[in-house]
Amino acid sequence: KNEVEQSPQNLTAQEGEFITINCSYSVGISALHWLQQHPGGGIVSLFMLSSGKKKHGRLIATINIQEKHSSLHITASHPRDSAVYICAVREETSGSRLTFGEGTQLTVNP
Amino acid sequence: IAGITQAPTSQILAAGRRMTLRCTQDMRHNAMYWYRQDLGLGLRLIHYSNTAGTTGKGEVPDGYSVSRANTDDFPLTLASAVPSQTSVYFCASSDLTGKSNEQFFGPGTRLTVL
Repeated sequence: KNEVEQSPQNLTAQEGEFITINCSYSVGISALHWLQQHPGGGIVSLFMLSSGKKKHGRLIATINIQEKHSSLHITASHPRDSAVYICAVREETSGSRLTFGEGTQLTVNP
Repeated sequence: IAGITQAPTSQILAAGRRMTLRCTQDMRHNAMYWYRQDLGLGLRLIHYSNTAGTTGKGEVPDGYSVSRANTDDFPLTLASAVPSQTSVYFCASSDLTGKSNEQFFGPGTRLTVL
């Protein structure tokens, strides 16, 4: 079993829909990251969370430390949101190193 | 240079050949990382360095070596490439002195070993 599990693996939505991507982990963490990888391959960091909730534009990330679960929400989705979304955790014992989920492929159709 | 760069962008290599993937950052980050990304497996850490002069092994270090002679450069060497090393390789860096420890990724190197 992977230490970081994402669901769903693939998600197709219509433009305007509210989207949720989930991430569960099995280890103690000091932080959780959400990353975005566009079809061209580039990876950018969206959020770093250690508790609560963060919002940036139409993106919202939440984390529940007790339940070892995080969600990434996209409101009013747009075709340009189509990308792979990756959850990664920084384990309490691993210093700066991250452990990654396999990613969720999101496709938003116009 | 702005951010983090990798070279080459892509490479086709014969098995048994030696290859060095280059990574340079201009953000003065103390930590640097090498990952490989394979379909169905996500990103996996190969080697990392928390500061110039030190390196550490990640999840999949076998067949790879790294060096960190200075802050900016973190080359990854495949001493004798094998087909299972066909992958997309990403270099990343982060500032361990900061609060966020956000990792910044290079554009990747697509390597094919035949």
